[in-house]
Amino acid sequence: SQELEQSPQSLIVQEGKNLTINCTSSKTLYGLYWYKQKYGEGLIFLMMLQKGGEEKSHEKITAKLDEKKQQSSLHITASQPSHAGIYLCGAGLSLIQGAQKLVFGQGTRLTINP
Amino acid sequence: DGGITQSPKYLFRKEGQNVTLSCEQNLNHDAMYWYRQDPGQGLRLIYYSQIVNDFQKGDIAEGYSVSREKKESFPLTVTSAQKNPTAFYLCASSIGSHKQETQYFGPGTRLLVL
Repeated sequence: SQELEQSPQSLIVQEGKNLTINCTSSKTLYGLYWYKQKYGEGLIFLMMLQKGGEEKSHEKITAKLDEKKQQSSLHITASQPSHAGIYLCGAGLSLIQGAQKLVFGQGTRLTINP
Repeated sequence: DGGITQSPKYLFRKEGQNVTLSCEQNLNHDAMYWYRQDPGQGLRLIYYSQIVNDFQKGDIAEGYSVSREKKESFPLTVTSAQKNPTAFYLCASSIGSHKQETQYFGPGTRLLVL
């Protein structure tokens, strides 16, 4: 079965600083999804990566998938309090009838100090 | 505004009681999913449905049941057979026509046992 490991598990940064969260897969990734979750709330979709070497950005968040498609990183530039939350990476795994399920890492809890 | 709604936000279950969690989407998505989130265990797939009147068991279906009578609705019943129901339940939906496609999540329902 596919497993995702995120690092670090917890991260505290000063507002305005840059940070990186990593996601490593035990198998090749065919679809890698990044979500953000605030405690007690649902998951908010951030970005999806499929191709080796792919990089996507949205506002101050950049996600990359390595050439071998086994590792992804999420980079936040000039962090703000609104970036605080739990970041989850998920891998899409095929099920029957063309469906897929998401297998998630344990999450990285990000705290931004003013 | 298109989206996924879940109700109630909090649900209390007494011993031996069945309870039903609601999930509605107006995104015109064919596929819908139920995940369970426990601290330190990430999200796990309970049931999924690709089309109306059809659904499949996920990884932890025991003690749960679902129905899919309408495209927009995918309610989850937590039966008395589920011995450890305390968790955060998340409903998701996706277009349902591609293998790698984004799943969008609802705000979640927290189930607590009295």
